[in-house]
Amino acid sequence: QVQLQESGPALVKPSETLSLTCTVSGDSIGSDYWSWIRQPPGKGLEWIGYTYYSGTTDYNPSLKSRVTISVDTSRNEFSLRLTSVTAADTAVYYCARDMSSSGGIDFDYWGQGILVTVSS
Amino acid sequence: DIQMTQSPSSLSASVGDRVTITCRASQSISVYLNWYQQKPGKAPHLLIYAASYLQNGVPSRFSGSGSGTDFTLTISSLQPEDFATYYCQEGYSMPYTFGQGTKLEIK
Repeated sequence: QVQLQESGPALVKPSETLSLTCTVSGDSIGSDYWSWIRQPPGKGLEWIGYTYYSGTTDYNPSLKSRVTISVDTSRNEFSLRLTSVTAADTAVYYCARDMSSSGGIDFDYWGQGILVTVSS
Repeated sequence: DIQMTQSPSSLSASVGDRVTITCRASQSISVYLNWYQQKPGKAPHLLIYAASYLQNGVPSRFSGSGSGTDFTLTISSLQPEDFATYYCQEGYSMPYTFGQGTKLEIK
């Protein structure tokens, strides 16, 4: 059974960098695409970006200037860095796997999510 | 960016009802449309992928249809565990936008 688990600080100060890690078990990160998705409290879902095991990445243009997603195949995990955060970045952050079976992007396994609050 | 518009935004229904939620894309996305169910405090759960394919383990009362710009999710006979928020998501092009959600509540 594939499992994803997000970890990182729950509180980040404005203007600082949000850093999260997603640890994958039950599947090798050396396959498929792996995404970060966020959801502000009470609002909808926003795709942040994805990485492939080779290090290939792509990001939501609305966040591209502030986002870096990286992969560590030796630890079977991938990470998110979001710089210069503001209160608008307060959200539950999910990591997810792209099922890669339909030709499009669809997310079949998700982490439980981690609430990150941006506040001084 | 492709815009995804769901309707209705909220819906009240009773156990046993047949319910349909629609999702419209601002441009053609072929069949690259997915549906998720989300319960409070939980991650979204994939129900339907590629417009009409039922994800493994999802009850057969859920079905999806459509192509191009117009899609529907149908629940044939609502069960108590189906009361949740439903999101569509286009898997065709970046940034793989989600709809705003449809909250399905008990009447």
